[in-house]
Amino acid sequence: DSGVTQTPKHLITATGQRVTLRCSPRSGDLSVYWYQQSLDQGLQFLIQYYNGEERAKGNILERFSAQQFPDLHSELNLSSLELGDSALYFCASSVATSVNNEQFFGPGTRLTVL
Amino acid sequence: LAKTTQPISMDSYEGQEVNITCSHNNIATNDYITWYQQFPSQGPRFIIQGYKTKVTNEVASLFIPADRKSSTLSLPRVSLSDTAVYYCLVGEQTGGFKTIFGAGTRLFVKA
Repeated sequence: DSGVTQTPKHLITATGQRVTLRCSPRSGDLSVYWYQQSLDQGLQFLIQYYNGEERAKGNILERFSAQQFPDLHSELNLSSLELGDSALYFCASSVATSVNNEQFFGPGTRLTVL
Repeated sequence: LAKTTQPISMDSYEGQEVNITCSHNNIATNDYITWYQQFPSQGPRFIIQGYKTKVTNEVASLFIPADRKSSTLSLPRVSLSDTAVYYCLVGEQTGGFKTIFGAGTRLFVKA
C-alpha cells in the first residue's frame, strides 16, 4: 500500500459526459501528479501540483482540468468525454517537486467511456 | 528533462540475472537516475535510484559508469513475479516537460 488513495476505482460513463477523479496523497507529501495510461501504452504525464499551485503541465487536453485543495487532495476533471479518453488514470505524490523525489502511485481509476 | 532510451522488451528465464540498460546521453550534472517497476493495471513502484558508481538494495542493483551516459538495472535471479515493465527516469524537473516516463522495457520471465 503506497498510502495514496484514488476514488473511484472504476468509472463507466458515456461520451460527452463529465467526470471527476479524486486523489488523496500520502501523508506529508505536498506534490501531486496525474498520469494517463491507455491500454498497453506508457504513462503520459498530465499535470503536477505542489502545495496547491500548478507546477508543471504535460500533455493535458483543454477538456481536462485539475486542482489541488488546501487539504492537499487533488481532483482531475474530465469533460466532453470521448471514446479515446478511456484509460487508467493514476495519481502519484511525492514530498517535493523534483523528479528525483520518489513518487508514490495510487491504485488508479479505470475510466471507460462508452 | 534528459531523454532516455531503453530496449522495448526482454525475455528471460527464472533464476537468471537480468540486466536492463538505459541510455541517457544528455544527463546533466545534477540529475539522478531512477528506476520504477510497473505490473499490469497497477501504478509504478520505485525500485532504486543512484547518482554514480553502484547502488544496491534488497531488490536490485544499479550500475552507473563514470560518464553517467547510461545505467544498468540488474535484477538477480528473476522469478515469474518479476514480469513487469521497467522504466528508467532521469532528470531534474525544469517545467513544461511533456513526459516523465518513457516507453519502458517490458520484461517477460518464463518458467
